[in-house]
Amino acid sequence: EVQLVESGGGLVQPGGSLRLSCEASGFTFSRHWMTWVRQGPGKGLEWVANIKEDGSARYYVDSVKGRFTISRDDAKDSVYLQMNTLRADDTAVYYCARVFRGVFASDAFDIWGQGTMVTVSP
Amino acid sequence: DIQMTQSPSSLSASVGDRVTITCRASQSISIYLNWYHQKPGKAPKLLISAASHLQSGVPSRFSGSGSGTDFTLTISSLQPEDFATYYCQQTYSIPPTFGQGTKVEIK
Repeated sequence: EVQLVESGGGLVQPGGSLRLSCEASGFTFSRHWMTWVRQGPGKGLEWVANIKEDGSARYYVDSVKGRFTISRDDAKDSVYLQMNTLRADDTAVYYCARVFRGVFASDAFDIWGQGTMVTVSP
Repeated sequence: DIQMTQSPSSLSASVGDRVTITCRASQSISIYLNWYHQKPGKAPKLLISAASHLQSGVPSRFSGSGSGTDFTLTISSLQPEDFATYYCQQTYSIPPTFGQGTKVEIK
């Protein structure tokens, strides 16, 4: 079964750090870009970061640049999100997702984990 | 960044109704437009990629069309399991941005 399982969420104080993990199974992890998407309470979806198959390219939404780092370990079929200097507006459910490259080299997020909740509060 | 605007923000419909949701991009994105739906407490699910390509396992009552800046998701006959929030997403350029969502509720 193709699946992604996130872990590492929790309650953290403003200015603190947290590391999210996402373990993949059921597909060849090393062949895919991977991404993180978040959803604040009662809000829509916001892309956070993605990482190329070989880890040689990484991209971030402006609001997390310099604070968050995406990485991967293909030996463990896992992608990570290191989150530093957390703020209240980082409070959200964080999803990891697989990037699927389809027709005409179009990308879509075709497999999603169940999400892990991050709460930033004093 | 490319802004994605969906309309309507919410709608009420009955089982069996034909439902149409539109998505407009702030600049041309060719066909790099995806549709997802999300049920409360669940992860989003990819329905359509590249504007009109139905994902494997997604019922044929879902269809997508459009190119450039204007796109449409149509549900030909709404079913009980289709009540959810629908999001469009552009992957033409980084950052990949989502629309604000369209909540489809039971009338």
